[in-house]
Amino acid sequence: QVQLQQSGPRLVKPSQTLSLTCAISGDTVSSDSAAWNWIRQSPSRGLEWLGKTYYRSKWFTDYAISVRSRITINSDTSKNQFSLHVNSVTPEDTAVFYCARSVAGTRIDYWGQGTLVTVSS
Amino acid sequence: QSVLTQPPSASGTPGQRVTISCSGSSSNIGSNYVYWYQQLPGTAPKLLIYNNNLRPSGVPDRFSGSKSGTSASLAISGLQSGDEADYYCGTWDDSLSGHVFGTGTKVTVL
Repeated sequence: QVQLQQSGPRLVKPSQTLSLTCAISGDTVSSDSAAWNWIRQSPSRGLEWLGKTYYRSKWFTDYAISVRSRITINSDTSKNQFSLHVNSVTPEDTAVFYCARSVAGTRIDYWGQGTLVTVSS
Repeated sequence: QSVLTQPPSASGTPGQRVTISCSGSSSNIGSNYVYWYQQLPGTAPKLLIYNNNLRPSGVPDRFSGSKSGTSASLAISGLQSGDEADYYCGTWDDSLSGHVFGTGTKVTVL
């Protein structure tokens, strides 16, 4: 059974960087059959996929066009976790952020518990 | 912001059948598998249907999915009070090169 445990600050000031971490159990971040995603949910934007990282002989990252210039997703194999960093945040980035696993290319099958991050001064 | 369109709400009495639609385009539903997620209040989405019409282990057969062209549907038969939740469709979009989700449908059991 795969479990994803999220951690990170819940309040971030405008213009600063939002950082969240997702610890994996029951699978490995360097699996050659899984990808590790970040998704956010807000009343105004609904469910929005932000990007993913995955290992296929080397590391790859794919980012959503809407946030590509502001986000970074990376992995830490020693801790079996992956992280999201969103820079230059504004109040519009306030959302519940989820980490999630996808397999077989596009099936998102396990989700973290979610973290409400508020951008406010 | 959502690429896939769903009705905002659906309802039924216990035991009834409810159907939720999901409309997309040739670049997403038309060329990729559709997934359905159930989100109970205050929790993360849970995979309900994958590859258009398959159920993960543990999901009751009261839930079924189908796809035709650029649209998909989720049916809930034998509606129960525990089915009250938000339901989202999802798929991959070849033009956007990313996962996309529906606008969500709130199911109410009357």
